[in-house]
Amino acid sequence: DIQMTQSPASLSASLGETVTIECRASEDIYNGLAWYQQKPGKSPQLLIYNADNLHTGVPSRFSGSGSGTQYSLKINSLQSEDVASYFCQQYYSYPHTFGPGTKLELK
Amino acid sequence: EVKLVESGGGLVQPGRSLKLSCAASGFSFNDYWMGWVRQAPGKGLEWIGEINQDSSTINYTPSLKDKFTISRDNAQNTLYLQVNKLGSEDTAIYYCARHAMGIDDWGHGVMVTVSS
Repeated sequence: DIQMTQSPASLSASLGETVTIECRASEDIYNGLAWYQQKPGKSPQLLIYNADNLHTGVPSRFSGSGSGTQYSLKINSLQSEDVASYFCQQYYSYPHTFGPGTKLELK
Repeated sequence: EVKLVESGGGLVQPGRSLKLSCAASGFSFNDYWMGWVRQAPGKGLEWIGEINQDSSTINYTPSLKDKFTISRDNAQNTLYLQVNKLGSEDTAIYYCARHAMGIDDWGHGVMVTVSS
C-alpha cells in the first residue's frame, strides 16, 4: 500500500493569511492526488483533483501543486469558512489511501 | 443535482452483520465507479473499496477485504455495503462515494455503532 503523510497535523492562521498544507506519498503517485475539505459534522468535499485541477465550484483561492511524491494545497487569503480539516488522497494505485488530515483553525 | 443517500445504519451488537444501502439520483448511476469510505469518531478517512460500472471489478483495502462486500443494483440505482462480524473498531460513519478523479460526490453518511 502507498502510505500518505500530511504536515502539519494542525495549524492556526489569521484571516487573510496564506496557508500551505503538505502531503507526501511513500512512492511516486504520478499526480493521482485529490484534496478534500471536511467541515465539522459534514461530509468531505472535493477541492482539487489530479494534483492541481480545481473542482467545479471551488473558490480560486484554493490551489494544488506538486509531483512525484510531494504535493501541496495552498489557500490564499484565508476566510472564516475555510476552518475545516483537509485530507489528501492518492488514487494512483489500490488501495486509494488517505492522508491523516490537517486541522485548520483561526488564530 | 447529485444525491447519495445512505441508510441501514444504527446500533448493532458485536459479531452481527449489517447491510448498508446508498440510493443514488441526479446522475447516470451506471456510468460511474462507486464506493465506500468510513470515518471513526474523531478520526481520519479510511477508504474501504469501490466497484466498477458493471460489477465486474471490485477493489478493497486488503486489510478490510474479509469483512466487507460491495455490490450494486444498476436497475435500482443503489449501492450496497455488507459488513460482517462487526466489532467495536467498525464503529464509524460510513459514506457512499461517487468515484471520478478522486471522489467528486459524497453522501451525508450513516452512523454505525457497534456495542452490546
